[in-house]
Amino acid sequence: QVLLVQSGPEVKKPGASVQVSCKASGYTFTDYYIHWVRQAPGQGPEWMGCVLPNRGGASYAQKFRGRVTMTRDTSINTAYMELRSLQSDDTATYYCARGFFERVARSPFDYWGRGTLVTVSS
Amino acid sequence: QSVLTQPYSASGAPGQRVTISCSGSNSNIGSNPVSWYQHLHHLPGTAPKLLIYSNNQRPSGVPDRFSGSKSGTSASLAISGLQAEDEADYNCAAWDDSLNGWVFGGGTKVSVL
Repeated sequence: QVLLVQSGPEVKKPGASVQVSCKASGYTFTDYYIHWVRQAPGQGPEWMGCVLPNRGGASYAQKFRGRVTMTRDTSINTAYMELRSLQSDDTATYYCARGFFERVARSPFDYWGRGTLVTVSS
Repeated sequence: QSVLTQPYSASGAPGQRVTISCSGSNSNIGSNPVSWYQHLHHLPGTAPKLLIYSNNQRPSGVPDRFSGSKSGTSASLAISGLQAEDEADYNCAAWDDSLNGWVFGGGTKVSVL
């Protein structure tokens, strides 16, 4: 079955960077977009961007451009999201999710990881 | 502040029908399909689940008690025959052509009385 397994919780200081990984299994990794969505406490989800593992090119939400990088390693079926210059309002649970339709960026998300809590605190 | 607007909460007795609204604009719901997600937030470490895509389509395995609809710049999710296991947060989402990205609603917490 399709599984997305994310890395563990992180605690970072303001100004630092964090990298979250998402290991995929149960399907052809290169055929589906991986999206990153975060949810801060008490707020709705927020889409950060996506990457198509086959090409490696990423598309980012305007809010995060210049501060986020999404990459992938097709040899180990793993996607990565790095967020830099962290501030307290970046404290959130970060999810990876697979696009429902093959090779379609504007595709809803059919499988999600369980989330990675990133806490930013001095 | 989420781009799509949902009521904060909704509730119903077991067996009843609950409807959740999702309001957007021409650049998102008015132009693109809506999807709905269920998240069991009271169970830490659970992943959100896709309930509805393309406005009214259910992925395999989603009970037909869940149904979606869209009209203009609004969409709704209906849960009929409400069950205790339906207690969860529900979010709507759509692609936004102006923002060139996905936007979500703030979420509706459904309680089963």
